[in-house]
Amino acid sequence: SQELEQSPQSLIVQEGKNLTINCTSSKTLYGLYWYKQKYGEGLIFLMMLQKGGEEKSHEKITAKLDEKKQQSSLHITASQPSHAGIYLCGAVGSGNTGKLIFGQGTTLQVKP
Amino acid sequence: ETGVTQSPTHLIKTRGQQVTLRCSSQSGHNTVSWYQQALGQGPQFIFQYYREEENGRGNFPPRFSGLQFPNYSSELNVNALELDDSALYLCASRPGWGGLLSRRNEQFFGPGTRLTVL
Repeated sequence: SQELEQSPQSLIVQEGKNLTINCTSSKTLYGLYWYKQKYGEGLIFLMMLQKGGEEKSHEKITAKLDEKKQQSSLHITASQPSHAGIYLCGAVGSGNTGKLIFGQGTTLQVKP
Repeated sequence: ETGVTQSPTHLIKTRGQQVTLRCSSQSGHNTVSWYQQALGQGPQFIFQYYREEENGRGNFPPRFSGLQFPNYSSELNVNALELDDSALYLCASRPGWGGLLSRRNEQFFGPGTRLTVL
């Protein structure tokens, strides 16, 4: 079965610094979702990457999908305290079951 | 904030009891999925409903069951609760039957229901 590993597991950065979170799959990545979650709350949709090489940006967050490496990265530029939370990547499972296979999450703290 | 709503927000039950969680999908969304998220873990897919039928299921026992209604809202029922069922239960909806990678068919999550089993 497919597994996703996120790195790092947790991250503390100073406000204004850039950071990158990686999501590596044990199998071919056909597409990937990125979500943000505040502790104990629901998931906020950030972006969906459909094919290898695709790159999307929203405000100061950029995500890329490298199909060959079976990996996706999420990059935050000039981090702010509002970026703090748990970042989750979810790979689209096989078939059309609506199943997303999630990584364990990366917890980000941004120090003012 | 998405248009997916869930109730209740929190719930405390004892082992062996049964529980029903509710989800209202975003307007225009006819496909609903349920996930279980244990503390410190990523969400785990329970099942998906489309037009009132279950058409995808994860590795969860039959005591996890669901329903989808004609207005596309959904219920998750868990029988014979166990301590390990304590988790955040998330509902997600999307517009249609097309795959998760179809444009304009992205999946949006609700705020979740925190279930504690004592």
